[in-house]
Amino acid sequence: GAGVSQSPSNKVTEKGKDVELRCDPISGHTALYWYRQSLGQGLEFLIYFQGNSAPDKSGLPSDRFSAERTGGSVSTLTIQRTQQEDSAVYLCASSLGDPSNQPQHFGDGTRLSIL
Amino acid sequence: QKEVEQDPGPLSVPEGAIVSLNCTYSNSAFQYFMWYRQYSRKGPELLMYTYSSGNKEDGRFTAQVDKSSKYISLFIRDSQPSDSATYLCAVSRQLTFGSGTQLTVLP
Repeated sequence: GAGVSQSPSNKVTEKGKDVELRCDPISGHTALYWYRQSLGQGLEFLIYFQGNSAPDKSGLPSDRFSAERTGGSVSTLTIQRTQQEDSAVYLCASSLGDPSNQPQHFGDGTRLSIL
Repeated sequence: QKEVEQDPGPLSVPEGAIVSLNCTYSNSAFQYFMWYRQYSRKGPELLMYTYSSGNKEDGRFTAQVDKSSKYISLFIRDSQPSDSATYLCAVSRQLTFGSGTQLTVLP
């Protein structure tokens, strides 16, 4: 079946512009995560959605970052007024339920470059 | 101190070698441990996940957890060039990740 789909796969934009990154999770998966991976670094947790509960936003690095998940399915991560330090790979993952006992499945990420 | 520490490598081994990849973690409350494999320009792929202490084997891969020393390991037997990737350990809920170990298996 289809895995986690992310778009665009690559995004190059100028400093100061806003960007939107999209994640289409596996059908039926109630949990959705966003992570950021910088060159040579591990994955940094950003935000977590579980069903209809309020999202866990504790990993968002600044108020320029926001995310929403419409209808419990597709999610959009928005970065406003992008800065060069925002350049990274943004990864989305989904799982069937509580990620503490259900494995997470990742998309291939969006590679974001801020000029 | 990071919650999860992992030697970044790089690690190069000859084909057929036994590979040992290791992580340490700081929070004794963690009970769920995972290993992911990440090929270049791809998302992480779940390899193994285990609860609590002990070993779990899947083909050429064995995951080992020692909660008393807060130490997790991934062993790869009969390593193949196709195993060349970055291996990431992760613990519990928000998947706190190690920084990854870059492995190259030389033919």
